Amino acid sequence: DAKTTQPTSMDCAEGRAANLPCNHSTISGNEYVYWYRQIHSQGPQYIIHGLKNNETNEMASLIITEDRKSSTLILPHATLRDTAVYYCIVRVAPIRSASKIIFGSGTRLSIRP
Amino acid sequence: DTEVTQTPKHLVMGMTNKKSLKCEQHMGHRAMYWYKQKAKKPPELMFVYSYEKLSINESVPSRFSPECPNSSLLNLHLHALQPEDSALYLCASSQERVSGRNEQFFGPGTRLTVL
Repeated sequence: DAKTTQPTSMDCAEGRAANLPCNHSTISGNEYVYWYRQIHSQGPQYIIHGLKNNETNEMASLIITEDRKSSTLILPHATLRDTAVYYCIVRVAPIRSASKIIFGSGTRLSIRP
Repeated sequence: DTEVTQTPKHLVMGMTNKKSLKCEQHMGHRAMYWYKQKAKKPPELMFVYSYEKLSINESVPSRFSPECPNSSLLNLHLHALQPEDSALYLCASSQERVSGRNEQFFGPGTRLTVL
């Protein structure tokens, strides 16, 4: 699976959009981009994923560049509960058996009141 | 039911003890995972089970022994652990479709302390 690079930490004001970047310059054509977050002392939680097109769900939006070498997770109206470590992961779709995900170091996002 | 449950929440054990961690899901997922997470570090994959068979072992020491008795249950048997094995142990499951959404659902973890 391709490696990802994320800033170590970021902060954002409550109510503003939080934009978290991720570089995955060695991504292959069959690898999806996944985002998870981990709130302190809890298990990681799935946020969103995409292959080529931009995606939006009730939690966030995912913008993937045309060359797929980077992506941005957008939390449109950050709240204090969004304070967490955010992980960007690239993962090939499983063919016959389960595939593994490799967590990078992640971005520690702090939302300030 | 979209939950992965793990028991116990906390476990303290001595280096000569034998204990087990338990994980359960009722989402019909056929892939289940064990991760180890040290403080301020990302989760590290230990084992993957696919259709109740061990498919990935990330060179984990034999003092950790996984078991998948059925499609809903995953155990991690612990024996002769070292203090450096103290960590948060996370279980996850996923559907593993050939294409499309394949997110992993994580349990809350078991916080293990080895004395």
